[in-house]
Amino acid sequence: QKEVEQNSGPLSVPEGAIASLNCTYSDRVSQSFFWYRQYSGKSPELIMSIYSNGDKEDGRFTAQLNKASQYVSLLIRDSQPSDSATYLCAVNDNYGQNFVFGPGTRLSVLP
Amino acid sequence: DTAVSQTPKYLVTQMGNDKSIKCEQNLGHDTMYWYKQDSKKFLKIMFSYNNKELIINETVPNRFSPKSPDKAHLNLHINSLELGDSAVYFCASSQNNRMVGYTFGSGTRLTVV
Repeated sequence: QKEVEQNSGPLSVPEGAIASLNCTYSDRVSQSFFWYRQYSGKSPELIMSIYSNGDKEDGRFTAQLNKASQYVSLLIRDSQPSDSATYLCAVNDNYGQNFVFGPGTRLSVLP
Repeated sequence: DTAVSQTPKYLVTQMGNDKSIKCEQNLGHDTMYWYKQDSKKFLKIMFSYNNKELIINETVPNRFSPKSPDKAHLNLHINSLELGDSAVYFCASSQNNRMVGYTFGSGTRLTVV
């Protein structure tokens, strides 16, 4: 049974700080990793994807992947109140099309 | 607009009723999905479907059935609704490529009373 775990939070950070969101997964054959942002009452929105070990940067967002440790993280630099949302980690595997989502981490950026 | 669209956005119905939620995507994607998000915000796959294969999550009651008239549509039928079916249901689509993420619809909030 594939599992994806996240700290449910809430994670509170002051405006301008770096927010660090973490995710671990159980399926060693997982190949694709995604971060989604979900505002309250809205649908999940894809913000980052990562497939190879190391860091991937896109604007204020950096995704980090360590397959040996089965760990993927999302860093948000210069956090803004508009970043306050639930962040969902999703993991695909090498055999199927489906994603398994973590329970999400609620981030609150305080002005 | 290119998108995944779901209707209705809100659905309130009584226990025992049968209802449908419609989903359409104009992105040219090969695969469509239904996810259920419960009150704790946990997103769980219910079905994935392309023109070749329907994959059903074994935990989904057989009161739920997907129906796909064509590649761009995947509707969700629910028979004999129960209180525990209350949740937000999201339709999503993707290319038939494990390296791409989903595009989600806006969700349907189902409340069974």
